[in-house]
Amino acid sequence: KQEVTQIPAALSVPEGENLVLNCSFTDSAIYNLQWFRQDPGKGLTSLLLIQSSQREQTSGRLNASLDKSSGRSTLYIAASQPGDSATYLCAVKDNRAEKLVFGKGTKLTVNP
Amino acid sequence: GAGVSQSPSNKVTEKGKDVELRCDPISGHTALYWYRQSLGQGLEFLIYFQGNSAPDKSGLPSDRFSAERTGGSVSTLTIQRTQQEDSAVYLCASSRVITYNEQFFGPGTRLTVL
Repeated sequence: KQEVTQIPAALSVPEGENLVLNCSFTDSAIYNLQWFRQDPGKGLTSLLLIQSSQREQTSGRLNASLDKSSGRSTLYIAASQPGDSATYLCAVKDNRAEKLVFGKGTKLTVNP
Repeated sequence: GAGVSQSPSNKVTEKGKDVELRCDPISGHTALYWYRQSLGQGLEFLIYFQGNSAPDKSGLPSDRFSAERTGGSVSTLTIQRTQQEDSAVYLCASSRVITYNEQFFGPGTRLTVL
């Protein structure tokens, strides 16, 4: 059974800092991995999708990497801003089912 | 273009009542997914549709839960005889095709069972 873990559960940083959020998964037989952002009381916003054949994806100040063999992904946020404050969720789609399996998220607070 | 929409945004009901939650996927998306987000449980998969068929209903917690999709578009999740443990945010997502494609989520329906 696929399990996804996100560390840390919460993170507080000053504005302007570069930071890394971690995601690990137990079964490396995945099709893809998706990073989401969730603001309080809102749905999920897709940030980046990495297919299993890819090593990384970039969008603006965000860079996500994937090491499938070790079961790890990282989300790098450069020059963090208060507007980046949200919960970040990692989810994998493995090759046994169509569903996404989610981690419990990292709650990020960027202080002005 | 328009994203995934869900209605109602909030639903308060009494224990034992039936509720219907609606999802309108992105136009042209063939795959539609339902998830539930509750405190302490995180996000859990309920069911997915490919067209109007539901190949995987494994996440439905009990036979009180059912879902259908018509015309390859709108989907309805029905919960019969609601219980307090059904209180959660119900999220719908769609993707252009299954497996490789990015899933896009709606804003969710917050269900509270009193």
